[in-house]
Amino acid sequence: DTAVSQTPKYLVTQMGNDKSIKCEQNLGHDTMYWYKQDSKKFLKIMFSYNNKELIINETVPNRFSPKSPDKAHLNLHINSLELGDSAVYFCASSLSAGTGVQPQHFGDGTRLSIL
Amino acid sequence: GENVEQHPSTLSVQEGDSAVIKCTYSDSASNYFPWYKQELGKRPQLIIDIRSNVGEKKDQRIAVTLNKTAKHFSLHITETQPEDSAVYFCAATNQAGTALIFGKGTTLSVSS
Repeated sequence: DTAVSQTPKYLVTQMGNDKSIKCEQNLGHDTMYWYKQDSKKFLKIMFSYNNKELIINETVPNRFSPKSPDKAHLNLHINSLELGDSAVYFCASSLSAGTGVQPQHFGDGTRLSIL
Repeated sequence: GENVEQHPSTLSVQEGDSAVIKCTYSDSASNYFPWYKQELGKRPQLIIDIRSNVGEKKDQRIAVTLNKTAKHFSLHITETQPEDSAVYFCAATNQAGTALIFGKGTTLSVSS
């Protein structure tokens, strides 16, 4: 069973479109994250949610809007896609960060390509 | 905010040699330091981690050392094998202790 699953695995779309990526974890974790990995392989935190509440928003354009319907799901919606949004987006989850950051488990990633 | 520097960016070794990757961090409040391995086209996978109350941790061929005074930590891989070839990332907690800040990665190539 996949612990952290993301859909879709690949997403090819045109500039200006709106798209969503979904993430689900079955590990019983209560903290979920979105990371962006660019073409140079840099891994950068975008958002973090703890028990459905946003706790980190790292200077990400407001075209990116995360939503957490429950603590097992964290989706990412992107409006008006731009060329620079092309990257691999990783979802991750961990136990509560309340007592310090815990080991994070990553999904397989969503490779987003903007034409 | 927290800044994590990782060196070298690329490392080539012969099978059986040891490999060492070093990271420095800026925030003295950081208390958790994981290392991730990412194979081509795959997800980052946690291989070892260390907390600030420990100076060294070992798991078979992999070890991590932490020097809190100097604010640096290192990954040591002994008896390298071709399957160790991957990108390795170090990370440290941010100032708030709520997220990980990653280094820029080291591409390790092990040739047989």
